[in-house]
Amino acid sequence: SAVISQKPSRDICQRGTSLTIQCQVDSQVTMMFWYRQQPGQSLTLIATANQGSEATYESGFVIDKFPISRPNLTFSTLTVSNMSPEDSSIYLCSVAGGPGNTGELFFGEGSRLTVL
Amino acid sequence: AQSVTQLGSHVSVSEGALVLLRCNYSSSVPPYLFWYVQYPNQGLQLLLKYTSAATLVKGINGFEAEFKKSETSFHLTKPSAHMSDAAEYFCAVSEGVTGGGNKLTFGTGTQLKVEL
Repeated sequence: SAVISQKPSRDICQRGTSLTIQCQVDSQVTMMFWYRQQPGQSLTLIATANQGSEATYESGFVIDKFPISRPNLTFSTLTVSNMSPEDSSIYLCSVAGGPGNTGELFFGEGSRLTVL
Repeated sequence: AQSVTQLGSHVSVSEGALVLLRCNYSSSVPPYLFWYVQYPNQGLQLLLKYTSAATLVKGINGFEAEFKKSETSFHLTKPSAHMSDAAEYFCAVSEGVTGGGNKLTFGTGTQLKVEL
């Protein structure tokens, strides 16, 4: 399984500001996935990020609010823009398995954001 | 479209008792099914997965799950609960590697409490 590191692990942010979350993987992966977990709720897929192409966003999520970069096969960033208290969530980076991929995802520890 | 329903947002068992966490799925194609566990302030860890091989799947920490196509279920069980099993458990479904490209849909989660 891949080892996934996220930064920051947690942060407290002011309304109207933006924060960029970094995700580093210890191996090259084709697809990276960003999920949001709002307090007490399940995980919702924000977007899928492939290296060298625009991220694919799920319904209800837009690039202006959640711009994503994917400069290489081991790294991605998610920016939460113009934050409001409703953006207080855990943001999780995940990747698919490597050779012999059987469909599961591996997750980072998450970035816990609180917006005041 | 795929979906997952987890019955019971909170389950409480005594230490040493049977653990049963329920999951029903909906999928337009033969599904891949997963159970994840999330301990407080941590990311998600894969417990076990079903990918069209054996219908009874064994995972880590003594957990297992049985795929029942006729019931569209994938319930998670453990014969004897331990205090360390207290966590949140998520069931997830995907359309497989080629179908959904590892795009998982998660249930709303079940919080397991283990009492002395």
